[in-house]
Amino acid sequence: QTVVTQEPSFSVSPGGTVTLTCGLSSGSVSTSYYPSWYQQTPGQAPRTLIYSTNTRSSGVPDRFSGSILGNKAALTITGAQADDESDYYCVIYMGSGISLFGGGTKLTVL
Amino acid sequence: EVQLVQSGAEVKKPGESLKISCKGSGYTFSFYWIAWVRQMPGKGLEWMGIIYPTDSDTRYSPSFRGQVTISADKSVRTAYLQWSSLKASDTAVYYCARRSADGNFFENWGQGTLVTVSS
Repeated sequence: QTVVTQEPSFSVSPGGTVTLTCGLSSGSVSTSYYPSWYQQTPGQAPRTLIYSTNTRSSGVPDRFSGSILGNKAALTITGAQADDESDYYCVIYMGSGISLFGGGTKLTVL
Repeated sequence: EVQLVQSGAEVKKPGESLKISCKGSGYTFSFYWIAWVRQMPGKGLEWMGIIYPTDSDTRYSPSFRGQVTISADKSVRTAYLQWSSLKASDTAVYYCARRSADGNFFENWGQGTLVTVSS
């Protein structure tokens, strides 16, 4: 069974840049998987950040960007702010209506 | 404005049945897939399954097939997630999410429904 992999945790300094990645246990992530990214703070519903690899959802600041780096999808936060401290999830679309979530990355800003 | 409004928190005993709901507004409900996502306490998000309200075409994650039933009633613009016999391990927050028109990401989210199963 395919597993979507993410770093369990990451830390970044305020104003710094961080890149979170999203891979597949078998194979590479490409644009054909339409990777998307979601931000979740404790007690809140997820918020859609990035879809179709690199398209920002409405209202998402341009310090968030998506890409493919090597064989993984990537979410880069440039100029991290304190309120970017959240859990970040990627989703891979497997086709036939089926999606898979990664395990999530807990980002600390300190 | 697109909104997904979920039913309120539930406290149930093991073995009881339950049906929670997700009502859509601000768009043509029938034409967009609705997914259900589980989040167990302190854990990550898990895709459970998805339904197309127009014809109730439903897909399940192998992990949840046979454990829950996803349904929809387009006449009342509502999707449902139900259990016939709850277990303590079903304790979680459940989110519904509307899939985008092109089908490859979750564009809108409900506020979540906390289900607590305890004797």
